[in-house]
Amino acid sequence: QVQLLQSGPGLVKPSQTLSLTCAISGDSVSSNYATWNWIRQSPSRGLEWLGRTYSRSKWFNDYSVSVKSRVTINPDTSKNQFSLQLNSVTPEDTAVYYCARDRADCNSTTCYTYYFDYWGQGILVTVSS
Amino acid sequence: DIQMTQSPYSLSASVGDRVTITCRASQSISGHLNWYQQKSGKAPKLLIYAASSLQSGVPSRFSGSGSGTDFTLTISSLQPEDFATYYCQQSSSTPRTFGQGTKVEIK
Repeated sequence: QVQLLQSGPGLVKPSQTLSLTCAISGDSVSSNYATWNWIRQSPSRGLEWLGRTYSRSKWFNDYSVSVKSRVTINPDTSKNQFSLQLNSVTPEDTAVYYCARDRADCNSTTCYTYYFDYWGQGILVTVSS
Repeated sequence: DIQMTQSPYSLSASVGDRVTITCRASQSISGHLNWYQQKSGKAPKLLIYAASSLQSGVPSRFSGSGSGTDFTLTISSLQPEDFATYYCQQSSSTPRTFGQGTKVEIK
C-alpha cells in the first residue's frame, strides 16, 4: 500500500519561498513506473498541475509554464521523498497543495497510460503577511 | 495545453438515479482520460483510468466511456456516498490538465 505524507508550513509571507515535502512509503521515488507530482487546488484556478520529477536511468523534471520561473521539484533518494519549492509567492499562490503519484502502466517497450492513483493528504498554504 | 471542459457544472439528483457527466478535450487524447471523485476536505480519489478501466476497490456502479475528445462518466444508481465533486483529467501530454469539476448534489 502506497502512502504519501506531506509536511511543511501552512503560512508563508509574500515574496518568500513556499517549501513542502512529500514522504513516500510503499514505493520508491526512483521507480521506473511512476512520476512524482505536485498539484494545487484553489477556488479560482481549480486543480492545477505544477510539475513532476521522475527517474528513467537519469532524473527528469517537467514544470507548468505558469510557475516554471519560480518552481523547483527535487527528489531525495536517501529519504525516499520529493520536495516542492515555489519562490516569490504572492497571495495568488494560496491553495491546497497535494503531492501525487502518476502511475504508469507499461508493456515491455512502452508506457501506455498514466493516472494519479495515490495522493497526499493536502496542505492548505496561505500566503499572507 | 489541452483544455478539459466538463458539463454540467452541477446537478441535483436523487438516490437511485442514473447520473451522466461529460468531459470534452480541446484536442484528441485517444483514451488517456481519468476520472476522480473528491469529497469536501479530502484529496481526489481515482475512480476510472484509461477512459473505461475501473480502479480497484471502486464500486461497479461507476463506469466510463469515450475516446478521442468526448468522454462520459456514468453512475448507474446514485448512492448517498456518491454526493461529491467529480473531475476528469487528461494524461495524454504534459501539462496534465483537469476539468473544472461537476458537483453532484442531493435533490
